Amino acid sequence: NFMLTQPHSVSESPGKTVTISCTRSSGSIASNYVQWYQQRPGSAPTTVIYEDNQRPSGVPDRFSGSIDSSSNSASLTISGLKTEDEADYYCQSYDSSILWVFGGGTKLTVL
Amino acid sequence: EVQLVESGGGLVQPGGSLRLSCAASGFTFSSYEMNWVRQAPGKGLEWVSYISSSGSTIYYADSVKGRFTISRDNAKNSLYLQMNSLRAEDTAVYYCARGPTGFDYWGQGTLVTVSS
Repeated sequence: NFMLTQPHSVSESPGKTVTISCTRSSGSIASNYVQWYQQRPGSAPTTVIYEDNQRPSGVPDRFSGSIDSSSNSASLTISGLKTEDEADYYCQSYDSSILWVFGGGTKLTVL
Repeated sequence: EVQLVESGGGLVQPGGSLRLSCAASGFTFSSYEMNWVRQAPGKGLEWVSYISSSGSTIYYADSVKGRFTISRDNAKNSLYLQMNSLRAEDTAVYYCARGPTGFDYWGQGTLVTVSS
């Protein structure tokens, strides 16, 4: 079994770049795809990254995803921050033994 | 346009039952695996249950195993979650979400409150 650990919160100014990490506790981060979801207050989650680094249509290219085997983590990077990016972000992965697992979520504040 | 619309939430007493529904449109429902994911007030996301496109394969989170039952009716483009022996800790917004290993589309959610 594994867990996904995210920072509780991050903050950055408009126009800047922020990176949110998602660290896998055991097993290789590269073993299973990682997805990232954005959840604005009072709304349902939406997908911003799937299969580690793929962007759904309609998601701006300011959003990018990557994985780093050396730190066993996935990252969501948002460049050119806008106030509308302020939201909670969740990473998620799948494993055949523990099935679907989410990170605890990161609150992004754009100030 | 893909749409998932949940219904059936509400207030229920501990030990009670509730059946959630999710109406799907805008895609070939019978071709897709589906899930239920929940979010307790002020908390993160928790996967609850999965069902394959045909309904032949089903999984549950340990927290609901033996109490919840997932099902689908492909002729009606609908997904269901029968929730029995409800506990206070089951209080959450319940989302239906499409997808095998990730969740590409989500409904707007339905709130279930378990309280006396």
